[in-house]
Amino acid sequence: DADVTQTPRNRITKTGKRIMLECSQTKGHDRMYWYRQDPGLGLRLIYYSFDVKDINKGEISDGYSVSRQAQAKFSLSLESAIPNQTALYFCATSDFPGQGASGELFFGEGSRLTVL
Amino acid sequence: SQQGEEDPQALSIQEGENATMNCSYKTSINNLQWYRQNSGRGLVHLILIRSNEREKHSGRLRVTLDTSKKSSSLLITASRAADTASYFCATDDSYTGGFKTIFGAGTRLFVKA
Repeated sequence: DADVTQTPRNRITKTGKRIMLECSQTKGHDRMYWYRQDPGLGLRLIYYSFDVKDINKGEISDGYSVSRQAQAKFSLSLESAIPNQTALYFCATSDFPGQGASGELFFGEGSRLTVL
Repeated sequence: SQQGEEDPQALSIQEGENATMNCSYKTSINNLQWYRQNSGRGLVHLILIRSNEREKHSGRLRVTLDTSKKSSSLLITASRAADTASYFCATDDSYTGGFKTIFGAGTRLFVKA
C-alpha cells in the first residue's frame, strides 16, 4: 500500500458543489500539506499542518478549508467549487527537518478535480 | 510569487547526453531539494542539498548550490529515455524557520531514444 493515499483520484463536479479531498498517511509524520498544481505554475501551497491542533494557511488558501482529524488524516474542502479550482491536488507529508530527518516531502498520487 | 524558478522551462535531448537544469531563488534558505514528477503522478524526492554544502552526488545526479548567487543546478549524466519527466526545485522558507517548502514551476525534460 502507498504511504500517502489520496481519495478520490478523479472527480468531476459542478459549480457551487461542496467537495472534500481526503488524505491519509502511514509514514507516522506529524507534518502534512495540501498543494495545488496548475500547468506551468508548479505547485502552490494551500494549507499545512504540523500537528493535529495546528493549521496554517499557505499561499492560496482562499476558497479552501482543511481539517486535521488525526495525525494520519488531513482533508481539504472546497465549500463551493468554482471552475478556476480545476487542478491537480496533492497531499504530502514530512518529518521535522533536523535530528537526522531531511524534511523531504512524500507525495500522494494526486486528486484530479474538474469543476464544470 | 514563487520562491524558485527553473530554467529552461523545457529541454529536449538525445539519450546518452547530459541534461542540466537550473534553479534560482529569492530569499535565504536552509536547504534546497530537487523532485521529479512523471506525467500526472506524484512528486518523488531526488536529492537535498543544505545551505552549507556546495555540491552533492547521487548516482547519475549531481547538484550544485551557490548561495551567493541564490542558484542551484541539477545535472543528469548519461540520460535515458526513462528520465523523461518534469523536475522541480524546492526551497524552504527560512524566514519562518523552514516551515514551508515552496516549489518552482519546473523543467520538462524529454529524452529521445
